[in-house]
Formats: sequence, structure tokens, C-alpha cells
Amino acid sequence: DAGVTQSPTHLIKTRGQQVTLRCSPKSGHDTVSWYQQALGQGPQFIFQYYEEEERQRGNFPDRFSGHQFPNYSSELNVNALLLGDSALYLCASSRNSYEQYFGPGTRLTVT
Amino acid sequence: AQSVTQLDSQVPVFEEAPVELRCNYSSSVSVYLFWYVQYPNQGLQLLLKYLSGSTLVESINGFEAEFNKSQTSFHLRKPSVHISDTAEYFCAVIPRAGGTSYGKLTFGQGTILTVHP
Repeated sequence: DAGVTQSPTHLIKTRGQQVTLRCSPKSGHDTVSWYQQALGQGPQFIFQYYEEEERQRGNFPDRFSGHQFPNYSSELNVNALLLGDSALYLCASSRNSYEQYFGPGTRLTVT
Repeated sequence: AQSVTQLDSQVPVFEEAPVELRCNYSSSVSVYLFWYVQYPNQGLQLLLKYLSGSTLVESINGFEAEFNKSQTSFHLRKPSVHISDTAEYFCAVIPRAGGTSYGKLTFGQGTILTVHP
């Protein structure tokens, strides 16, 4: 049984560009959450998707947006990248919202 | 809203010594509690969880944590650590149901456990 998968593993972008990160949930899971983990920090909640809709959102600007597809996979989009967006982006899936299983993450570097 | 405080940013110990990683939380609603482990350049792995029932929960690799409601704590312990336990450990909470924070895991800042030979 495959766990949560994320792509790409690493990404380098320039300030002002846009980026799309992808996540496939664990089999049987229907809820996907995204977190940002800056260096030396704990993960911060960005938003959660369930039934193709954003159900919860953390304190992140509108530059951060997402999507969930009918097969429960999800995308995280970040527009107008800033240097401060450099971080590890983690996707987590769950069947009941609270017991969340994380993928390996995408390391985004903004130069 | 919820907040989590991990009282030690770094904990160095020798192999086979006992260890305790401390976690306190604050919440206006009842929460579920978790410990996650993160090895270098990897994602988070769920180590153990407290959902209900016995306040002492155990993992398959010898870690245990005890939920103390009166002290709002969920400290992680292991009686004898191995080199392979070297990693960063995160305590996290999530509201049990409903509300504006439903589904949102709130993490502490992490504790780096380094096991020396």
C-alpha cells in the first residue's frame, strides 16, 4: 500500500514566479492538508481539502491556493513567489481529518 | 485556538540512557494529541497518538507518552535510546470536533534528539 506521495522532490524558482506542487493521498483517504515547514520550525497549516472544496484555511495570503481532484489528489499553487516562501511543503492525508499521514515533502527554494 | 510548547529545543543523550521530551499545550477545546518524528531530509512519521482511553500510549519502537489533562502535557519518554533514534520530534494537537480549527494540526517548534555512542 503506497503512502502519501509528493512531486517534485525539489524545486528552484525565482522571485515573482508561480509554482505548483502535487500530492497523492494514501489509499482510502479522502482529505488532504498542506503544511509549510520553514527551516528550524514546526509545520504551519496552510489549508485542507475535502470533497474538492477548501474546508479550513490557516493564516496564509491568497497567493496560496489549492485544488482537489475527484480522485482525491491535490495541488498547491503559490503565485508571485517571495524569498520567504522557501520551505519544505508537506502534504498530509487522512480519512477522518485528525489522524494525518505525511508525505516526504517538496523542498522549494526561491532565489 | 491551540498552541504547543516543546520545552527543549535540543536534547543530547548517550546511547542506552533514558530520555524525556517535554510537551505542553493550550486549547480552549478538547484535543487529540500526537507525536511525530522527522529524520533528516524526510517528511513526518506518526510516532504515537492519544485519542481516548488509557492516558499512557506506546509506540512499536519503545517510545511512550502520557496524557496529563490537569497539567495539559503530553511528554514523550523512552527508557533506553538507540543511535537510530536520532531525529527531530514534534508534538502536535488537533481539535476533537468542529470549530474554526477543525482539521488543523498545530505543532510545537520541535526537539532535536541526538543520541551519542
